[in-house]
Amino acid sequence: QVQLQESGPGLVKPSETLSLTCAVSGYSISSGYYWGWIRQPPGKGLEWIGIIYHSGSTYYNPSLKSRVTISVDTSKNQFSLKLTSVTAADTAVYYCSSPDYWGQGTLVTVSS
Amino acid sequence: DVVMTQSPLSLPVTLGQPASISCRSSQSLVHSDGNTYLNWFQQRPGQSPRRLIYKVSIRDSGVPDRFSGSGSGTDFTLKISRVEAEDVGVYYCMQGTHWPWAFGQGTKVEFK
Repeated sequence: QVQLQESGPGLVKPSETLSLTCAVSGYSISSGYYWGWIRQPPGKGLEWIGIIYHSGSTYYNPSLKSRVTISVDTSKNQFSLKLTSVTAADTAVYYCSSPDYWGQGTLVTVSS
Repeated sequence: DVVMTQSPLSLPVTLGQPASISCRSSQSLVHSDGNTYLNWFQQRPGQSPRRLIYKVSIRDSGVPDRFSGSGSGTDFTLKISRVEAEDVGVYYCMQGTHWPWAFGQGTKVEFK
């Protein structure tokens, strides 16, 4: 069974870069599918951040496009999210996902 | 961007009784490939979202058959034929036809 696990700092200072990694087990990232990031501010709904296809094509939410980069490391079977110039509005639980599976999520708080 | 609108936002339910959630999109979700990429997710308290249904009406593996999805174009419905205790949570529709993909606001299902 495919499993996804997010990792990264739980606290990021304003104006700095949020960096998260999603380790995938049970499936080779390079074999297919898309791999994505979604976030959920505390007590609120879900927002797509972006996706990357196994081909390397990326799609970013226009609301975040200038600050987001999603990349894949096939040697480690993982993919990553970088979000620059963060503010308190970026505080959220960040989920990584494939079409069928989601990670457990990781809370990232932006605060000095 | 496509806007997804769910109703109701709060749904009091009775054990063993049916329940229904509506989801409307601001434009047709029929993709150029002929598919309609409308998904339903369940988020139980403290858990990550779990996909229940994809492409309008196809249940994911392990999803009880009391859950069913229907609809076309811009109007979609999730039905629970007989609500069980484990069905409490927030339900989201999500369109995967037009980028950026988008979720509805969520419908909170709780017992009366």
